[in-house]
Amino acid sequence: DAGVIQSPRHEVTEMGQEVTLRCKPISGHDYLFWYRQTMMRGLELLIYFNNNVPIDDSGMPEDRFSAKMPNASFSTLKIQPSEPRDSAVYFCASSQDRAWYGYTFGSGTRLTVV
Amino acid sequence: QQPVQSPQAVILREGEDAVINCSSSKALYSVHWYRQKHGEAPVFLMILLKGGEQKGHEKISASFNEKKQQSSLYLTASQLSYSGTYFCVSNFGNEKLTFGTGTRLTIIP
Repeated sequence: DAGVIQSPRHEVTEMGQEVTLRCKPISGHDYLFWYRQTMMRGLELLIYFNNNVPIDDSGMPEDRFSAKMPNASFSTLKIQPSEPRDSAVYFCASSQDRAWYGYTFGSGTRLTVV
Repeated sequence: QQPVQSPQAVILREGEDAVINCSSSKALYSVHWYRQKHGEAPVFLMILLKGGEQKGHEKISASFNEKKQQSSLYLTASQLSYSGTYFCVSNFGNEKLTFGTGTRLTIIP
C-alpha cells in the first residue's frame, strides 16, 4: 500500500487566496483525520470523518475552513480566504477503527501564506 | 485536556536509557505513542489499552496506569535512530486523539 497520500507537499499563496489541500487515505480505513501543526500550538485536530461523514469539526478554527470527503478515497481541506496565521503543516491521517489502531499519517502539506 | 509530557527535552549519549512521562487531567481510555522526526510525519509506535499494560517495540516499551491517568515510555540502549520528538496521545473514549505537548529526544554519538 502506498500509504496516506497528500498533495501538494508545499504551497505558497498570497493572503486572500483560496487554498485546497488534498488527501487520499489508505484503502479500507474508515476514519480520516485532518491535523494542523505549528510551533506554538503543536498538533491540533481540525476535523475527522467516519465512513465519509464528518463526525466532529469542533477543531476547525473559523468559517474560512471547510472539509469534505465525497468518497472513501478522497478528502479536501479548503481555506478561503487564506491568512498569514494559517501558515502551518497540515497532516491528513487515516485509521482502521476508532482508536484501537494507530493512525497512519501522510507526509503533510507545508502551507505558507504571505 | 492536552496531556502533559515531561521532560520537554532530553539529550542522551548513544546507549543510554531514557524515560518519558505523560500525564492527563482527564480519564484515559487508551494511550498511543508516536515519534516524529524533523520534517516528517508522526509515526505510530504503540497503543496501550488496559490499565497497567506494558508493551514493547524493539527496545522501546511503555506502561499505562489508567487509575493514575499516566503513561511512561521507556527507551533502553538508545540508538541514533531514536532521535525525534515523542508524543503521547490520549484517547478519552471516542475516535479522536489528543496529542500531548511532546518530548524532544536528541541522541549524540
